[in-house]
Amino acid sequence: KAGVTQTPRYLIKTRGQQVTLSCSPISGHRSVSWYQQTPGQGLQFLFEYFSETQRNKGNFPGRFSGRQFSNSRSEMNVSTLELGDSALYLCASSVGSGWRNEQFFGPGTRLTVL
Amino acid sequence: DQQVKQNSPSLSVQEGRISILNCDYTNSMFDYFLWYKKYPAEGPTFLISISSIKDKNEDGRFTVFLNKSAKHLSLHIVPSQPGDSAVYFCAASAIIQGAQKLVFGQGTRLTINP
Repeated sequence: KAGVTQTPRYLIKTRGQQVTLSCSPISGHRSVSWYQQTPGQGLQFLFEYFSETQRNKGNFPGRFSGRQFSNSRSEMNVSTLELGDSALYLCASSVGSGWRNEQFFGPGTRLTVL
Repeated sequence: DQQVKQNSPSLSVQEGRISILNCDYTNSMFDYFLWYKKYPAEGPTFLISISSIKDKNEDGRFTVFLNKSAKHLSLHIVPSQPGDSAVYFCAASAIIQGAQKLVFGQGTRLTINP
């Protein structure tokens, strides 16, 4: 069974631009969660989508948004990029919603904002 | 305000001995706790979890202990193996205002010495 895949793996953008990251979950998984990892803040939960609906949301500004498609693939969008958005963005998939369902993480997308 | 703290950024243990990783939390609403392991250039891997109705959960070499009165949990690895060298994150979840929240600690880098 293929694991969680994320594209692209690396991305360089400049301040003010917007970016879209993609996540393909494990086949059969309907939940996709997104996380941001930075050296200063550690791992932080962004949001979770389940059956195309946002189920849970972390404490991030509205510049961070996401969506999920009918095939459970998910995209995350960050608008008006700031230097502080440089981070490793991880997505994880699980069969059901919530963290009591085991999550499987992708390798992440490393975003650098210049 | 760091609601979940891993006060030891690093830990070094000899192969075959016990590794004990600690995690403290401040919010008594957290009712589910998880441990993840992360190798460089890979996404985190779920290790073990525990519900607040329990004080111990065991899975092979990994045991998690929860002390609710002290708001403290620990992960024991016995015996420690070189492949256990990784960064370990604890995480705590709660339902707050109808939404599930997940908060991670900063991580502890465990090094197993042969």
